[in-house]
Amino acid sequence: VIWMTQSPSLLSASTGDRVTISCRMSQGISSYLAWYQQKPGKAPELLIYAASTLQSGVPSRFSGSGSGTDFTLTISCLQSEDFATYYCQQYYSFPWTFGQGTKVEIK
Amino acid sequence: EVQLLESGGGLVQPGGSLRLSCAASGFTFSSYAMSWVRQAPGKGLEWVSAISGSGGSTYYADSVKGRFTISRDNSKNTLYLQMNSLRAEDTAVYYCAKVYPHCSGGSCWDYWGQGTLVTVSS
Repeated sequence: VIWMTQSPSLLSASTGDRVTISCRMSQGISSYLAWYQQKPGKAPELLIYAASTLQSGVPSRFSGSGSGTDFTLTISCLQSEDFATYYCQQYYSFPWTFGQGTKVEIK
Repeated sequence: EVQLLESGGGLVQPGGSLRLSCAASGFTFSSYAMSWVRQAPGKGLEWVSAISGSGGSTYYADSVKGRFTISRDNSKNTLYLQMNSLRAEDTAVYYCAKVYPHCSGGSCWDYWGQGTLVTVSS
């Protein structure tokens, strides 16, 4: 099983801030990583796949980077609609696993 | 427009059974692998099970192996999850999700249903 450490678990920020979320793997996964956004009471939405490829329709203020064991999701200029919980997910090997989640809240 | 609509959730006693369904529309169902992902109340996401487009290959998380069975009926565009020997720790919202083919080599999911709540309690 590939264990994932996502940090921070809670991030307080203001509209316009640049925020960074980290996801670290227990072993290398090349670039087989996705990021999702989830709002309360809603299903997750795919933001980024292959570590850095933006899903169609996702605003360009979202970006992903990293390979191997260390990955980052960056939101360059936080908007009100970005306050949500974010999850990383590895699809390098079974079982597919998720990070614990990062809740981005209004400061 | 892709739509996934889960049903079948509810309250069940420990040791009981439940079958979830996911009706798919808006895409060629048989061409895509599908998964079930769950989320316990206030907790994170957990992948549960996956099935290939043909239904010939299935995969399970260790936490449900031997108790849950994933299947599909491509003639009805429907995905199923048969859940037996349910435990309190199976309480969660269960989502069906469509595999995104660009996540080659593995699975990520580009469309999700709205989820159905399964509560295991006496």
